[in-house]
Amino acid sequence: AQSVTQLDSQVPVFEEAPVELRCNYSSSVSVYLFWYVQYPNQGLQLLLKYLSGSTLVKGINGFEAEFNKSQTSFHLRKPSVHISDTAEYFCAVSTPMGQGGKLIFGQGTELSVKP
Amino acid sequence: AAGVIQSPRHLIKEKRETATLKCYPIPRHDTVYWYQQGPGQDPQFLISFYEKMQSDKGSIPDRFSAQQFSDYHSELNMSSLELGDSALYFCASSWDRDTEAFFGQGTRLTVV
Repeated sequence: AQSVTQLDSQVPVFEEAPVELRCNYSSSVSVYLFWYVQYPNQGLQLLLKYLSGSTLVKGINGFEAEFNKSQTSFHLRKPSVHISDTAEYFCAVSTPMGQGGKLIFGQGTELSVKP
Repeated sequence: AAGVIQSPRHLIKEKRETATLKCYPIPRHDTVYWYQQGPGQDPQFLISFYEKMQSDKGSIPDRFSAQQFSDYHSELNMSSLELGDSALYFCASSWDRDTEAFFGQGTRLTVV
């Protein structure tokens, strides 16, 4: 079985500062990894995904993440955040075994960007 | 580009009533997934369908049932509603089970 742990439930940061949202996963098989963003009262929007290949993945809105197989991590980073990045961020895994869309989500990290 | 359409967007029901949520996948997507996100919680997988057959089942209560129709749209039927069923219900669709799933905007169900 797979599991996802987001190490920080809340991350407050000042505008234009860098940010890292941490995600660790557990799985006995190869996984796909995702980061989703959810703005208040909105649906889930895909930020980026790792399926295979380069371990550094670039996504939308200036976000990027690095897959580290040895540390089973997939941390999300942005060099300079904006007020508009305030949202809930979910890390998720799925297995490439006929379950591409069955995602296991982490508990979420609330990113709060302050002026 | 067409996205996943969920209806209704908001629904208010009383305890013990029945609710039906609908999901229209992206054209040519044959796989549908349902998730439930309680207040302040992460989304939890409920059930999925591939080519109109149930393909996987998660933590879906026995009071809930779902199906995928010949046009690939899906409906989640929820009976004997309880206050704890109040949540945001997401549908996602994908082309084949091994590809990325795209999420709809969700249906917010409030049980009073």
